[in-house]
Amino acid sequence: DTAVSQTPKYLVTQMGNDKSIKCEQNLGHDTMYWYKQDSKKFLKIMFSYNNKELIINETVPNRFSPKSPDKAHLNLHINSLELGDSAVYFCASSQGTSGIRGEQYFGPGTRLTVT
Amino acid sequence: GQQLNQSPQSMFIQEGEDVSMNCTSSSIFNTWLWYKQDPGEGPVLLIALYKAGELTSNGRLTAQFGITRKDSFLNISASIPSDVGIYFCAPNTGNQFYFGTGTSLTVIP
Repeated sequence: DTAVSQTPKYLVTQMGNDKSIKCEQNLGHDTMYWYKQDSKKFLKIMFSYNNKELIINETVPNRFSPKSPDKAHLNLHINSLELGDSAVYFCASSQGTSGIRGEQYFGPGTRLTVT
Repeated sequence: GQQLNQSPQSMFIQEGEDVSMNCTSSSIFNTWLWYKQDPGEGPVLLIALYKAGELTSNGRLTAQFGITRKDSFLNISASIPSDVGIYFCAPNTGNQFYFGTGTSLTVIP
């Protein structure tokens, strides 16, 4: 069983479109995250939810909107896609936010290409 | 703002050699984690450090949480081809999470 899963694995779309990436974890964790990894492999946290509530919201364009229907799911919706949004997006989860509970488990990533 | 430096950026080594990489920050952290990312996959946790001065091993990997709480190193002994990948330090304090810029390791058989 996959602990943290993301769909789709690859997403190719045109500028201006709206798209969503889904994430699910079956680890029973309370906290979920979205990260963006750029072409230089820099990993930057975008959002974090704990028990469906937003706890981290880094400086991200408001075209990005996370949604957590329940604590096992954290989806990422992106409006009006731009070329600079092309990157690999990783979902992650952890039991909590500090100490041993803060150890994060990552999904396989979604490679988004905007043309 | 907080500055996190990871070095070296990349390493090319012969199989069997030892590897050392480190991260330094301008801020104090409560936790230092080390992750490895294989090509096309998500990062996987290798070692977790929770106390200043702590030295922890996981097989051929050894990591230490610096006494000042501003740095950490990761050593890999007797490298093998499957050690290839990108290694990230990931310190955090409460709800503040950061990832280092990564060390890309290439092992030449």
